[in-house]
Amino acid sequence: GAVVSQHPSWVICKSGTSVKIECRSLDFQATTMFWYRQFPKQSLMLMATSNEGSKATYEQGVEKDKFLINHASLTLSTLTVTSAHPEDSSFYICSASLRPERGHGYTFGSGTRLTVV
Amino acid sequence: DAKTTQPTSMDCAEGRAANLPCNHSTISGNEYVYWYRQIHSQGPQYIIHGLKNNETNEMASLIITEDRKSSTLILPHATLRDTAVYYCIVRVAFDSSNTGKLIFGQGTTLQVKP
Repeated sequence: GAVVSQHPSWVICKSGTSVKIECRSLDFQATTMFWYRQFPKQSLMLMATSNEGSKATYEQGVEKDKFLINHASLTLSTLTVTSAHPEDSSFYICSASLRPERGHGYTFGSGTRLTVV
Repeated sequence: DAKTTQPTSMDCAEGRAANLPCNHSTISGNEYVYWYRQIHSQGPQYIIHGLKNNETNEMASLIITEDRKSSTLILPHATLRDTAVYYCIVRVAFDSSNTGKLIFGQGTTLQVKP
């Protein structure tokens, strides 16, 4: 159980365009999901906490107008990179937990490799 | 959240036990210790977590010292497929004001050698 699906697995886009990444919890409902970004040879950096039915909570230094997060249902959160530029090229990963209040582990998606040209 | 300290890299012979240490000297009483690993270009994979007691599952064992200031992840019989970056994370217990987010450090790169 506790499977998180992320789509697409990779995407190439032109500079100035927007890209949407989907994160789905396949067999459980997740009121909270998390979005991370990872640059080559670096650790994961938490970008924001996605809350179902309310606004996302962004970490310090993350531009909320550039990285739009929507958590419209208990099984789907989306991250939209708006007006993408080459420096936004990165590995984006989402995660969710079945029962975080019980200390359950968080399941991660397989990640999305974004390349902006 | 408490900070963790891990060695940058470690080697292990295939078939032998891999013991990965983690220091979390500022850990609080309600903070869990989580271990994840990441194989190149994939999302992190959950391994194990614990609060006070030692834990074991099909993947690994987690040994937490009595003062909870450090822990060790044990992979009993390492294989080449266990080569990955291993992250030790301390997480505050979830409550109405805290979603229990995971903050990753730099982790330990474990190289399992034939």
